[in-house]
Amino acid sequence: GIQVEQSPPDLILQEGANSTLRCNFSDSVNNLQWFHQNPWGQLINLFYIPSGTKQNGRLSATTVATERYSLLYISSSQTTDSGVYFCAVEEGYNFNKFYFGSGTKLNVKP
Amino acid sequence: SQTIHQWPATLVQPVGSPLSLECTVEGTSNPNLYWYRQAAGRGLQLLFYSVGIGQISSEVPQNLSASRPQDRQFILSSKKLLLSDSGFYLCAWSPGRNLFFGPGTRLTVL
Repeated sequence: GIQVEQSPPDLILQEGANSTLRCNFSDSVNNLQWFHQNPWGQLINLFYIPSGTKQNGRLSATTVATERYSLLYISSSQTTDSGVYFCAVEEGYNFNKFYFGSGTKLNVKP
Repeated sequence: SQTIHQWPATLVQPVGSPLSLECTVEGTSNPNLYWYRQAAGRGLQLLFYSVGIGQISSEVPQNLSASRPQDRQFILSSKKLLLSDSGFYLCAWSPGRNLFFGPGTRLTVL
C-alpha cells in the first residue's frame, strides 16, 4: 500500500506561535484529509484537500499532488490545538482504502 | 445529520477470551465502513473495510474478523484474544469522500 510519512513527529510550541506540519506520500492519491485527535481520542476532520489550498480560521492546508506532499499551517496556536495531527490518503487506484501517517504530536504551552 | 456509535467505550478482557465490538451509523444509507486500530502512541492501522452488506475486505492477516450483517452495522470479532490485540479500536464511515470516526473502544487484553 501507499506510504505516508509525517513530520515532525513531535512539536512543542508556546501559545501564539505558528507552525507547519508536513505529510509526504509515496504515490498518486484520490483523496487527502487532515485530522486532529484530541486528548480523549476523538478524531475530528479538519480538511478534505486532495489538491490546492483551503483555510478555516487559524488553520490552513495546501496539497501539491504532483509533488506528493501536503502542509498544514497552524497560526496563533492555542492550548486547545494540542493533540495529534494525522493526514490520511486514499490511493489513486485503490478506492475506499484510507491510509494514515504516524502523526505529529503537538503540545501548545500557555 | 449522521451519527456513528461504538460500544463499549472501554473493555478489559483476559487472553484467550472472545471479542465483539459493535459500530452503528445513523442518518445515512449504504456507507463505506471501516475498522482501524491505534496502538499506544502510534498511527492508525486499517484492519477491515466494507462497501456493502456482507462485503468485507481485510487489510492484514490476524486473529480478528469483521462482519456487516446490516447496512449500517459493522462488527469486529475475535474467537481468542491475544495480548497484542490491545489498543484503541475506531470505527469510521464514509459517504465516499470524507472519513468520519466514532468515539472508539479502548481494549486492554491482560
